Amino acid sequence: DSGVTQTPKHLITATGQRVTLRCSPRSGDLSVYWYQQSLDQGLQFLIQYYNGEERAKGNILERFSAQQFPDLHSELNLSSLELGDSALYFCASSARGSMNTEAFFGQGTRLTVV
Amino acid sequence: QKEVEQDPGPLSVPEGAIVSLNCTYSNSAFQYFMWYRQYSRKGPELLMYTYSSGNKEDGRFTAQVDKSSKYISLFIRDSQPSDSATYLCAMSPSGAGSYQLTFGKGTKLSVIP
Repeated sequence: DSGVTQTPKHLITATGQRVTLRCSPRSGDLSVYWYQQSLDQGLQFLIQYYNGEERAKGNILERFSAQQFPDLHSELNLSSLELGDSALYFCASSARGSMNTEAFFGQGTRLTVV
Repeated sequence: QKEVEQDPGPLSVPEGAIVSLNCTYSNSAFQYFMWYRQYSRKGPELLMYTYSSGNKEDGRFTAQVDKSSKYISLFIRDSQPSDSATYLCAMSPSGAGSYQLTFGKGTKLSVIP
């Protein structure tokens, strides 16, 4: 167990809908990262938050947004869902702002858009 | 050309074999090189990391980095059925860019008893 908790584990929703994925980082970790894993693209970095502030953005669509709350948990909001958004969404956390040696991944949320 | 290339396999070996997994990359700024193991329906788990060039050994696992060739390898000795998983290489620069990892697509390994 990595100590990073993601809910829900599975989500099935229709096109056009909006969903929220939740992540609780390891105790004491200030950074949260969101990644998308699809069969054709592999793991892609979406966004990073550090102690409540957005730190970096990767290949995140405008329909997607995230935030990190004062208790350090994070939510990833996906709206106007399309079939192509079906993927595994992973959250990772680290104590500082680097993923180089110390980041731990959660078990992921499997999103299916039908 | 993708920044990180990894042969997706699948790779099937008998128990006890030596496994060699490889990645090539194009970004000279990469300084940290990691190998993750991902079991089916689980999150990636960090196996090993190496900074810059050289070798690193941890039990049955050895990671090698050749920055001159932009080539990294993971060797698994005495492979076990429990090693059956997808292995992902990942890389990042040091300093300001270290917030994100660039992953290979992963190699699926099956170790047959």
